[in-house]
Order: sequence, then C-alpha cells, then structure tokens
Amino acid sequence: QKEVEQNSGPLSVPEGAIASLNCTYSDRGSQSFFWYRQYSGKSPELIMSIYSNGDKEDGRFTAQLNKASQYVSLLIRDSQPSDSATYLCAVNSSGGSYIPTFGRGTSLIVHP
Amino acid sequence: SAVISQKPSRDICQRGTSLTIQCQVDSQVTMMFWYRQQPGQSLTLIATANQGSEATYESGFVIDKFPISRPNLTFSTLTVSNMSPEDSSIYLCSVAKTALGTEAFFGQGTRLTVV
Repeated sequence: QKEVEQNSGPLSVPEGAIASLNCTYSDRGSQSFFWYRQYSGKSPELIMSIYSNGDKEDGRFTAQLNKASQYVSLLIRDSQPSDSATYLCAVNSSGGSYIPTFGRGTSLIVHP
Repeated sequence: SAVISQKPSRDICQRGTSLTIQCQVDSQVTMMFWYRQQPGQSLTLIATANQGSEATYESGFVIDKFPISRPNLTFSTLTVSNMSPEDSSIYLCSVAKTALGTEAFFGQGTRLTVV
C-alpha cells in the first residue's frame, strides 16, 4: 500500500511569517512530487512540482525534497491571508503506472 | 497546463437515478482520471479512463456502478448509476499530458447531492 502522510492541521501562522508544510511517503521508488492548493469549495490547483533532491523556488514558494528520508516539504514565505487553504501533497507511484497518490492535506490558516 | 471543462458543476438527484458527468480538455492528453472527494477528505481515485478500452478501476469501485467512457484523447464521461445518498460527493476529472509522472490538472469538479 503506497501511502502519503500529511499532518491535517490546522496550521495557523501570522501574516508575514513562514508556513512550513510537510509530507512523507512510503514508496521509495517514487519519482515525481507535487503540491496542490485547494480553496474551500474549489478543485485542487497545482502550485509546485519537484523531481530531484534539494530545493526548488518559485516566488514565495519553495519545495524541498529529500528522497533518502522520503519527505517533501513546502515553505511559503511572507504568508498572506489569501494563502489560507488546504495544501495537498501528491506523489507519483513507481512501477510504470505513474498514478498520483494524494495525502489528506494540511489546512493552513494565515491570520492578519 | 490544460484547460478542463467539467459539466455539470453541481446537481441534486433523486436516489435510484443516474448522472453522467462530462470532462472536456482543450488539448490531447494521455492520462485522464476520475476522483471522488468527500467533504473534508482527500481525493480518492475511482478509475483511470483509457481511450478506446475499458477503464481501470481502483479497489472498491466497479464498472456497473461507475461506467466510464473515453472515446478520444480530449473527452471522458463518468456515470454514477443507481445513486444513493452515500454517493453524495464532489467528483473531479483530472488529466496529465503524458504518462511519465508529469503534472496532473483538475477540472472544476461536480458537486453531487443525492436525496
């Protein structure tokens, strides 16, 4: 059973702070990792993808991947109230099927 | 990315009836998936829609209950058959350009309520 684990939260941070969201996965052969943002009542929106160890930055977002420890994280700098949403971690399974497995998501609340 | 149009956006249906949800993509994609999301829960994969052949269903989902069509590389339908209140959920179409573990994108979702 391939699993993707996330703390459900909510994670509450003040406006302007750094929000740190974490995700662990069980399939050591996984190759592709994604972060989605889902506002209440809306569908998931892709915000970051990462394929190799290390950091990948895009604006206020930084994805970090450590395959040896099987975790991927998302940092949001200068958090804004508009960042308040559920963040879903997704991992593409190995073995040729490349079907993404989603975590349960972490609810982030950024308060003014 | 891909522009995905999913219809209807919401519906209220009587138990015992069926609803067909459509997913149209603006470009050819290799992979099309159908997910279900219960309130406050994560995404559960129902099936992978295969062009020109039967869909591949995940454990707990069967073709008689969730028949899926995919006649070409830009269109798929999911039917929720003989509905019961337990089928009330959000149904999401998702697409990926290639089968190589690239990004997946979602339609707007269909919020289904069965009464």
